[in-house]
Amino acid sequence: SQQGEEDPQALSIQEGENATMNCSYKTSINNLQWYRQNSGRGLVHLILIRSNEREKHSGRLRVTLDTSKKSSSLLITASRAADTASYFCASTDSWGKLQFGAGTQVVVTP
Amino acid sequence: EAGVAQSPRYKIIEKRQSVAFWCNPISGHATLYWYQQILGQGPKLLIQFQNNGVVDDSQLPKDRFSAERLKGVDSTLKIQPAKLEDSAVYLCASSLVAFGTAYNEQFFGPGTRLTVL
Repeated sequence: SQQGEEDPQALSIQEGENATMNCSYKTSINNLQWYRQNSGRGLVHLILIRSNEREKHSGRLRVTLDTSKKSSSLLITASRAADTASYFCASTDSWGKLQFGAGTQVVVTP
Repeated sequence: EAGVAQSPRYKIIEKRQSVAFWCNPISGHATLYWYQQILGQGPKLLIQFQNNGVVDDSQLPKDRFSAERLKGVDSTLKIQPAKLEDSAVYLCASSLVAFGTAYNEQFFGPGTRLTVL
């Protein structure tokens, strides 16, 4: 079964707007990762946040982690048409095993 | 640097037939993974290899699925016989770090889309 859930399932925004998606997980984690999947292609690693971190930035990406609520969020600022993709969170245990959520499908219109 | 290669990209078979997928990981990556991604869901780990040994196959339906990684490099995943519910994208990923390392960035191939009719 999937480790967690993501919401929203789908998100439609215009270029320049921010996109926020949330992820919840069920068990203890060592870290949490976010991946992007473009249509018909494999997943690409975006960012990793460790369990003792609360916030992390990478370019236009901002990730938060709340281990007390077992949740994380991904914010994409100033979105572009090229950000159109599905975004997945993956919780990682101490053995490095990833468990993916169901993903959020983001559509950015010009 | 070349990425993870997979073939074929698409495969259509009838139920009860067999099918095989091939994966070539990034050079030097010791750990290799096979995932199944059903439409609308996230990837689910089927099997994980460390070099040519299996470290996790707990979610592999062993009555019909098999996988091997000869010489610790390329890997094949086979389904025999296929069922309708096996229709999915099969993703191969590789990682530089060894099994048991928590900071584990995985690099994914483009996947093989399987349709079982």
